[in-house]
Amino acid sequence: DTGVSQNPRHKITKRGQNVTFRCDPISEHNRLYWYRQTLGQGPEFLTYFQNEAQLEKSRLLSDRFSAERPKGSFSTLEIQRTEQGDSAMYLCASSSTSGRTDTQYFGPGTRLTVL
Amino acid sequence: QQPVQSPQAVILREGEDAVINCSSSKALYSVHWYRQKHGEAPVFLMILLKGGEQKGHDKISASFNEKKQQSSLYLTASQLSYSGTYFCGTETGSNYKLTFGKGTLLTVNP
Repeated sequence: DTGVSQNPRHKITKRGQNVTFRCDPISEHNRLYWYRQTLGQGPEFLTYFQNEAQLEKSRLLSDRFSAERPKGSFSTLEIQRTEQGDSAMYLCASSSTSGRTDTQYFGPGTRLTVL
Repeated sequence: QQPVQSPQAVILREGEDAVINCSSSKALYSVHWYRQKHGEAPVFLMILLKGGEQKGHDKISASFNEKKQQSSLYLTASQLSYSGTYFCGTETGSNYKLTFGKGTLLTVNP
């Protein structure tokens, strides 16, 4: 069990550019979540996958955001035409079905700075 | 609806106890507690489920009042390593989706 990994750890981009982040979940975890966290706030849910199916998307996830999880393994989160308001920590978590609810294990996050 | 955590911040000396509260305006299915140190990922501490089931850390205890939609995290004999921001995440149905509070910053001093 190597934990959830995310790449890159830091990303600085200029407004209007596209960025893509990758999350590798704990192996055999069938659920994968994306969250956004800003300073002084808790993680905000963005979307989640069960295997390769994207089951729910937050209204926070505008048309500029897209997430994929091909083959139910790693996931990517892409932000198109970045805005300064997109600056945040993007966290990924994974879990496996275990009883009545899941324990979500978080990765170290990707810190995005939009200049 | 985001759960409300209290207090927002607490400062302790090593060995002292603390209670962190989490309340929701919606009926809760489960409450998940995490600790996050600056610049690091949130680390799982405990889950409390409707009906009394608990899963988590041996050295940390928590309660879940289903009628009041509240949970409390009890940190006893605090250690320096307990410092960090504590978040509660609430699940309002069996949908695996967590809504997190704004966090409680705990500082333990020698």
